[in-house]
Amino acid sequence: ETGVTQTPRHLVMGMTNKKSLKCEQHLGHNAMYWYKQSAKKPLELMFVYSLEERVENNSVPSRFSPECPNSSHLFLHLHTLQPEDSALYLCASSLSLGFMGTEAFFGQGTRLTVV
Amino acid sequence: AQTVTQSQPEMSVQEAETVTLSCTYDTSENNYYLFWYKQPPSRQMILVIRQEAYKQQNATENRFSVNFQKAAKSFSLKISDSQLGDTAMYFCAFMKAGAGSYQLTFGKGTKLSVIP
Repeated sequence: ETGVTQTPRHLVMGMTNKKSLKCEQHLGHNAMYWYKQSAKKPLELMFVYSLEERVENNSVPSRFSPECPNSSHLFLHLHTLQPEDSALYLCASSLSLGFMGTEAFFGQGTRLTVV
Repeated sequence: AQTVTQSQPEMSVQEAETVTLSCTYDTSENNYYLFWYKQPPSRQMILVIRQEAYKQQNATENRFSVNFQKAAKSFSLKISDSQLGDTAMYFCAFMKAGAGSYQLTFGKGTKLSVIP
C-alpha cells in the first residue's frame, strides 16, 4: 500500500455514459497526477495539480475532465468516451512538484473498458 | 524532449539468480533524476530505486542496484538473488531536475518473470 487509493478498481461504461474516477491520498502531498497506461505504450501524463490548481493539461481531449476539490482528492470525470480510451488510469501524488526529484506514489489504478 | 528506451520487452530469470534490465535515455539536460518503478500484478507502481545524475556513485537498495553511465546515457537495473515476488513489469523513468519540474517520462517497460 502506497497510501494512494483509487476507486473503482474496474469500470465498464458505454460510450454515452458519464462516470467519474476517484483518487484519494492522506499523505500530506501537495501535487496529484492522472496518468493513462495503455498496452504497449509508455505511461502518458494527462493532468497535474499542485495545491489544487491545474498545472498541466497534456492535450487531453475534453471528454476527460479533471477536478481537484482539495489537496487530498482528485477526480477524473468521463463522458462520451471512445473505445480507444480503454486503459488503466493511474493516479499519483508527490510531496510537491518535482522537489528534489521527489518520489511519486501511485494508486492501483482503475481498469476502464469502454464498450 | 526526453525519451526513455527499454529494449527488452520480456525477460525471465531463475529464482536466486541475478538479472539485469536495460534502460537508455536521451536528453540534453545535465541535471536530472532517473528511477526504476515496479508494477506487480496488483497494478500499483512502486518505486524501486532512484539515482541523481550529479552523483557518480551508483544507487543501491538491498538486492537492487543500478549501473549509471551518464556519458552513455545508460541506466540499468540489477536484481540479485531474484525472488518470486520480483515478478512484475519494470519501468525506467526520467525526470528533469529543477524547481517545479514534475514530468516523469517512462519507458515501455520490461516484463520480468522469476521462475521457481
